[in-house]
Amino acid sequence: RKEVEQDPGPFNVPEGATVAFNCTYSNSASQSFFWYRQDCRKEPKLLMSVYSSGNEDGRFTAQLNRASQYISLLIRDSKLSDSATYLCVVNGELTFGGGTRLMVKP
Amino acid sequence: NAGVTQTPKFQVLKTGQSMTLQCAQDMNHNSMYWYRQDPGMGLRLIYYSASEGTTDKGEVPNGYNVSRLNKREFSLRLESAAPSQTSVYFCATSPGTYNVLTFGAGSRLTVL
Repeated sequence: RKEVEQDPGPFNVPEGATVAFNCTYSNSASQSFFWYRQDCRKEPKLLMSVYSSGNEDGRFTAQLNRASQYISLLIRDSKLSDSATYLCVVNGELTFGGGTRLMVKP
Repeated sequence: NAGVTQTPKFQVLKTGQSMTLQCAQDMNHNSMYWYRQDPGMGLRLIYYSASEGTTDKGEVPNGYNVSRLNKREFSLRLESAAPSQTSVYFCATSPGTYNVLTFGAGSRLTVL
């Protein structure tokens, strides 16, 4: 079993839709969690950190469920510009998920 | 602008050739990393350097060597390139363990 797993997608959604991704991890001792965004043929860039109590940044909400060992990313009111691959990262720099591809259609 | 600079951006090698990918940062970060990303896959850690003077293997170190030349620079060397090493290589830095990563723009390597 991989340490960090994501549904690769693609998730095809219309503009304005709400979409959610999950990312499961196997190491219960994991301490830090992040979501990165990667555009085609570009480097990953930090989208947001994930805090134990959950956190929100505009249309984006990240949550951590330690009991079930997953993190989630919710995107509300999807924009065309949200089309990208979303990577979850567990334990900071060491372990990336395979990424979930999101395509937002007009 | 502060950031992470990788060179070269593109490289084509023949099987058995050697080359070094260079990474330099001006963010005063302690930790530096080399990842590879293959089509449709996430990033896999090759080697990392938690601080100047130390290096450690990641998930896929075979066929690679690294040098942490100083706090700013971390190079990745392929001694005898193989087609399986065709990939996009990303250098990244962070202030320390479990911190946010800042990535370079990537180096696209093709081994024929």
